[in-house]
Amino acid sequence: GNSVTQMEGPVTLSEEAFLTINCTYTATGYPSLFWYVQYPGEGLQLLLKATKADDKGSNKGFEATYRKETTSFHLEKGSVQVSDSAVYFCALSGGQGAQKLVFGQGTRLTINP
Amino acid sequence: DADVTQTPRNRITKTGKRIMLECSQTKGHDRMYWYRQDPGLGLQLIYYSFDVKDINKGEISDGYSVSRQAQAKFSLSLESAIPNQTALYFCATSAQTGGRKNNEQFFGPGTRLTVL
Repeated sequence: GNSVTQMEGPVTLSEEAFLTINCTYTATGYPSLFWYVQYPGEGLQLLLKATKADDKGSNKGFEATYRKETTSFHLEKGSVQVSDSAVYFCALSGGQGAQKLVFGQGTRLTINP
Repeated sequence: DADVTQTPRNRITKTGKRIMLECSQTKGHDRMYWYRQDPGLGLQLIYYSFDVKDINKGEISDGYSVSRQAQAKFSLSLESAIPNQTALYFCATSAQTGGRKNNEQFFGPGTRLTVL
C-alpha cells in the first residue's frame, strides 16, 4: 500500500539557516504529493503541493520538487524564520479508489532567534 | 470565518462514557474525514464519507462510529471511551473532483480529547 516516510525530528535551527526536511514515498501509480504545516494549537494547513513528476510546489519561501526517480518530495527553505516553527507533514494521495491522504509521521521544527 | 469548525475544542471524560465530536463545514464540500493524531504517528484516518449516504472505515475505525447527518455535518462517536483514545482529533473536508489530482483537504482546528 501507499506510505510516506519523513525525516525524524525534532529539528532545531537558528534563524536564517537553510532547511531541508526529507520525505520519501511508496505508492502505486502516480500520486499527488503535499506538504502540510501545523502551527501550535491549530489544525493542518496546506503549504504546497505537486501533482506530477518534476513539478515544483512553492509557497512562503518553501519549495519541494516531485522526484519520481527517487520517490522523494523534500521540503526546503533558504532562510528560515522564527515564525516557521511548526510541525510539518508530508502526505500523498493517489492510486485507485478513494482520494485518501496518507501522512508521514510529522517533523517538529523549532527555529531559534 | 472558520470554514471547518469542530466542537468541542477540548473535552475531558471518564472511561466508559459515550462521547460525540462534531464537525461542520461551510465549504460546500461533499467529502469529509475524521483523523486521529498521536505524537510521533502523524495522522491516522478513522472514517471518511464521500456523500451523505456514503460511510467508509479508515485505518483505525475500531471503537469509533460516525454519522453524516447532512452534507455539512459529520460527527464522530466513541461509544465507550477508553484511555488509549486520548488524542487530538481532526475533521477535514475536500471537494469532489473528476480525477485524483487535487485532493487538497481542509482541516478543522481539532478537538483535544482526554479519557481518564
